Amino acid sequence: DAGITQSPRHKVTETGTPVTLRCHQTENHRYMYWYRQDPGHGLRLIHYSYGVKDTDKGEVSDGYSVSRSKTEDFLLTLESATSSQTSVYFCAISGAGSSGGLDTQYFGPGTRLTVL
Amino acid sequence: GDSVTQMEGPVTLSEEAFLTINCTYTATGYPSLFWYVQYPGEGLQLLLKATKADDKGSNKGFEATYRKETTSFHLEKGSVQVSDSAVYFCALSDQYQAGTALIFGKGTTLSVSS
Repeated sequence: DAGITQSPRHKVTETGTPVTLRCHQTENHRYMYWYRQDPGHGLRLIHYSYGVKDTDKGEVSDGYSVSRSKTEDFLLTLESATSSQTSVYFCAISGAGSSGGLDTQYFGPGTRLTVL
Repeated sequence: GDSVTQMEGPVTLSEEAFLTINCTYTATGYPSLFWYVQYPGEGLQLLLKATKADDKGSNKGFEATYRKETTSFHLEKGSVQVSDSAVYFCALSDQYQAGTALIFGKGTTLSVSS
């Protein structure tokens, strides 16, 4: 299994509070992604990173920001959480040299976030 | 834009039954195609992939063939087990564009009873 951890694994917060989720990898892969999973929607891309300090928006980026100051860490921040951001958040990585090839993504265990 | 459509679930089978989960896609380029599996409370695990037309991906008794003419990538298994109960996701990515998102179907829940 790819070395990907996410923290926290579960979080309950209140509307309007800031929240930061962390993804940490030990594979030295270049690309990192944040997805959210909601019933009836599959997974949808929030943001991704193609290198340190290089990030771009995905399909559902409104209300989220990201940062990547080190290869191994990719942070997702909800500046002011809303109930519509209640979801399960998954981090994924991909990179040259992985067994599946550059286009294969490997996923972390997820963070379940509840915004009351 | 690119999209993936997979059959609605849940799919309920008895142990040792034959499984098919249909997946079709729309893509402008030449995508790689994937099946991921998600067990309860866990993240997504890569089950198999195929990168070009007529390629067959296989793993743990599951198979899927990349059919460009029908834009399909149906998942099959000859004899399911209770331990195969999970949610299955079909997905595609642009194999020539590094760092692009996976486009997922909505997932199909499989429940296998003994």
